[in-house]
Amino acid sequence: QVQLQESGPGLVKPSETLSLTCAVSGYSISSGYYWGWIRQPPGKGLEWIGNIYHSGNTYCNPSLKSRVTISVDTSKNQFSLKVTSVTAADTAVYYCARGWLLGNFDYWGQGTLVTVSS
Amino acid sequence: QSALTQPPSASGSPGQSVTISCTGTSSDVGGYNYVSWYQQHPGKAPKLIIYEVTKRPSGVPDRFSGSKSGNTASLTVSGLQAEDEADYYCSSYAGSNTLSFGGGTKLTVL
Repeated sequence: QVQLQESGPGLVKPSETLSLTCAVSGYSISSGYYWGWIRQPPGKGLEWIGNIYHSGNTYCNPSLKSRVTISVDTSKNQFSLKVTSVTAADTAVYYCARGWLLGNFDYWGQGTLVTVSS
Repeated sequence: QSALTQPPSASGSPGQSVTISCTGTSSDVGGYNYVSWYQQHPGKAPKLIIYEVTKRPSGVPDRFSGSKSGNTASLTVSGLQAEDEADYYCSSYAGSNTLSFGGGTKLTVL
């Protein structure tokens, strides 16, 4: 059974960098598919952040591209997200997920709330 | 890249059918047959229920069906059940390896 688990600080100060990791079990990241980050501000809808392929290629939401870095560590079977220069607008539940074809996410983590506040 | 447009709410009585729309442009919904739908219950992660406009993943009841006409995709839930009450989100491939989500629709079973 494929499982994903997000981890990272729940509170980040404005202008600092948000860092999250998604640990994958039950499937080897390097075997295929792609791996994505999606966020959901409290009470609002979903926003796609970006994907990383097992090849290492990354694709990000153009509205966030300048602040987002997604990387993969195949030795630990995990992938990570960094968002720089955060503001209150980056407060959200952050989900990691496994993707296939063009835009289908079939396995999701439980989500982790990140609050941006001083 | 803009969010896809969904009605904020929809409702129906048990046993009835309800359809939720998802409107985009020729650059996303209208340009590709890669529209997905997700169901999200409160406090839970989204669940994929429709992919490639009309296909259902294994385990998803056939009460859920998808379609598309031009720049608008639709999700129909037939034979409404209490457990169908949830938020529903559409997503579409938007070219250049990017993805757009809709704003979400809250489905209430009366």
